Parts: sequence; structure tokens; C-alpha cells
Amino acid sequence: GAVVSQHPSRVICKSGTSVKIECRSLDFQATTMFWYRQFPKKSLMLMATSNEGSKATYEQGVEKDKFLINHASLTLSTLTVTSAHPEDSSFYICSASPLTSGTPDTQYFGPGTRLTVL
Amino acid sequence: GENVEQHPSTLSVQEGDSAVIKCTYSDSASNYFPWYKQELGKGSQLIIDIRSNVGEKKDQRIAVTLNKTAKHFSLHITETQPEDSAVYFCAAGRTGGGNKLTFGTGTQLKVEL
Repeated sequence: GAVVSQHPSRVICKSGTSVKIECRSLDFQATTMFWYRQFPKKSLMLMATSNEGSKATYEQGVEKDKFLINHASLTLSTLTVTSAHPEDSSFYICSASPLTSGTPDTQYFGPGTRLTVL
Repeated sequence: GENVEQHPSTLSVQEGDSAVIKCTYSDSASNYFPWYKQELGKGSQLIIDIRSNVGEKKDQRIAVTLNKTAKHFSLHITETQPEDSAVYFCAAGRTGGGNKLTFGTGTQLKVEL
């Protein structure tokens, strides 16, 4: 149980284009989904927190107009990197917290999406 | 805000030996401490977690200890195997704190034959 998928696993795009990454909780409903960015050999940096049906909360320094987050349902959140540039190249990881009492803080991570902007 | 420090950054052990990774946190309000394993090019997998109402938790070869007074917690892996080789991240969070976790910088564990 508690499986989170991400799609695509890898994407290469040209500078200036937009890329959408999907995050799905496959066997549970998620109250909250999180989006992280990870640079090589570095820790996970939280970008934003999203709750179903409401606007995402972005961490300081993360541009909300550049990284659009839509949490359409209790099992799906999307991250769109708009007008991507080479510096946006990174490993993007989502996580989801189950809609259950008792373990509201447990996060289950997706396998990540490797974005390369040429 | 919370600050989590993790040591060592790299750890090499012989197969069958034990491995210990330590983390400290700064926010005394933190009460949830998960550990994640990340294999190369993959997302992170929750391997064990502990809440502040207990001092130790064990799951087969993996155990976690928590010292609230000193604000540190540790991951212990016994009888290490090559498949334990990965990057391990500790994290700290608090119930009701928006479920946000603050991660340590990671430990690259290598189990050598």
C-alpha cells in the first residue's frame, strides 16, 4: 500500500517551453501533496504544499507563477514548470500524506521526475 | 524554523557490520521523525519513523532511537547487506505544522562485500 506515482519519469524540453509533471496516489487519498526539488547530492528542498481544492502554499523564494501547482483531486496533483530554462533542470519529487487519522504526518514519495532543459 | 543536521555524509561498512546515522534537530516542538532511503535516480522510500512519545522503535534490522532532551535521533542498521547501499535522509516535523518536513543533508551508505 501507500504507492505514489509520478509521470513522466524523465523529460527533456527546449528552453521556453512548459512541462507538466503528474503526481498520483494510487491506493490512498491524500489530504496534502508536497513538491520537492533535489539537486545532485543534495537534500530535498520543499517547493510547495498543496491541499485538494485550495491554492498551494509556496516556500520562500519559489516563484508561484513559474511553478504552477494544481491539486485537482484527492489523488492527483500536477506541477507545471512554465517557460523552462536550463537552471530549472533538476530532479522533482512529489509526496503525499494519507487522508487517515493517526498518521497525518507520514509522507509517501513518488519516484521522481528528471527534468532537463536544453 | 527547524534545522536538521545529519552525520556522517558518507559511511562505508563491511557486509554484516552495523551502520549508525545520526541527526540533530533544533525545534523542540518537532515530534515526528521519519527516515527515508533513496536509491540512485529514484524517489525516497519511508523505511521507519518515530514519534516523540517513544524512545525507540525497531523493525527487523532497522531501529531508530530518539533523545528528546538532547534533540537527536539515530538510525541503526544491523547485519548490513549490499542492498542497504543507498542515500539515507532523516527528517523532522511536527503534528499540525502543515505536515511539513525538514530534511537532513543525507548520508551515502556503502556496504562493501
